Amino acid sequence: TQLLEQSPQFLSIQEGENLTVYCNSSSVFSSLQWYRQEPGEGPVLLVTVVTGGEVKKLKRLTFQFGDARKDSSLHITAAQPGDTGLYLCAGNTGKLIFGQGTTLQVKP
Amino acid sequence: SAVISQKPSRDICQRGTSLTIQCQVDSQVTMMFWYRQQPGQSLTLIATANQGSEATYESGFVIDKFPISRPNLTFSTLTVSNMSPEDSSIYLCSVGRGGSYEQYFGPGTRLTVT
Repeated sequence: TQLLEQSPQFLSIQEGENLTVYCNSSSVFSSLQWYRQEPGEGPVLLVTVVTGGEVKKLKRLTFQFGDARKDSSLHITAAQPGDTGLYLCAGNTGKLIFGQGTTLQVKP
Repeated sequence: SAVISQKPSRDICQRGTSLTIQCQVDSQVTMMFWYRQQPGQSLTLIATANQGSEATYESGFVIDKFPISRPNLTFSTLTVSNMSPEDSSIYLCSVGRGGSYEQYFGPGTRLTVT
């Protein structure tokens, strides 16, 4: 069974702090996606990374795909209350395998 | 991207009854997916629904319990049959785009079985 381990599962920080969420697997993925979900809504795609070592930036969010395409990280700089939500990584194996999710709370 | 709507948005149902959830997409798509999610937790894929063929179910999910229809390229339904409290969950449909299987989700249907 292919698994995506996400850490940490819960994160509560103050506005302005930086944070990193990790997504690790023993499997190689052809691509990996990050989603953010707010209560009462479906997950929203943030980014897709495809190439080993790839780095993508989305405003204050930086996404990295590991060289071996087995892991990824999401770094948020100067977190804001609007970043609060459930962050999910998902690896593509021909279908999406989702990580357990990281619940982020950013307090004003 | 795609705009996806689901009906109903939430429902409270009695044990032993069935509920059909509808998923409508604003454009034609080949791949549609149905997921289950406990609040604040990850997504579990129930089945893949492709138009013109029978749905493909994941391990632990069977057609008798979760029958799926896909009559055209913009619409699908998922029925949760003979419900029990263990079926209480959020049910999400999504559509897949591109070779990377990027997915766009509906808002979900929150089901409570009493």
